[in-house]
Amino acid sequence: GIQVEQSPPDLILQEGANSTLRCNFSDSVNNLQWFHQNPWGQLINLFYIPSGTKQNGRLSATTVATERYSLLYISSSQTTDSGVYFCAPRPMFSGGYNKLIFGAGTRLAVHP
Amino acid sequence: DARVTQTPRHKVTEMGQEVTMRCQPILGHNTVFWYRQTMMQGLELLAYFRNRAPLDDSGMPKDRFSAEMPDATLATLKIQPSEPRDSAVYFCASGLVIDGRVAEETQYFGPGTRLLVL
Repeated sequence: GIQVEQSPPDLILQEGANSTLRCNFSDSVNNLQWFHQNPWGQLINLFYIPSGTKQNGRLSATTVATERYSLLYISSSQTTDSGVYFCAPRPMFSGGYNKLIFGAGTRLAVHP
Repeated sequence: DARVTQTPRHKVTEMGQEVTMRCQPILGHNTVFWYRQTMMQGLELLAYFRNRAPLDDSGMPKDRFSAEMPDATLATLKIQPSEPRDSAVYFCASGLVIDGRVAEETQYFGPGTRLLVL
């Protein structure tokens, strides 16, 4: 099955810093979501981004499906950005439903 | 603000007891997913429903887990009998598939049920 690798596994930032999180996947995909799991455990949708680039405030994401990777950019980080960021692609030939495969996540801590 | 709701949010029980977790998908959504999250395994898909029909439950231990959708506004996940290894956070997610275009679906997660089996 598809392998999903996220890097770095852990990241510590000073408030205000920028960062890039990476997600590599081993097979062709036609759906990819980024999620943020906050310190209270809630999984929050950030982006649906099977290809191209999207921006939402201080966050933006880019997926280059042909090269099998996606990037999540966080600019001017805030303490509320802390938590775990998951990448979840859907393998293109995974059957008749949207079966997302979750990576292990990047754990981000933003310090004031 | 439409959200997936789950009850209970926390559950502590003893080994051998039945556990029932409930999920209310976002109104109008036609798919429901059950996931389990543990430190060791991460997020695993347990079951998937579309239009209330179970289409994939291959991720569930069949002997003790069961999932149902009695109606479009309620999904349930039951564990009977529960075991300490079932301790985890159980998430429900819902989505909307239009005209069979599954790749365009976005999944929205509930807050989870944190289960501890002693």
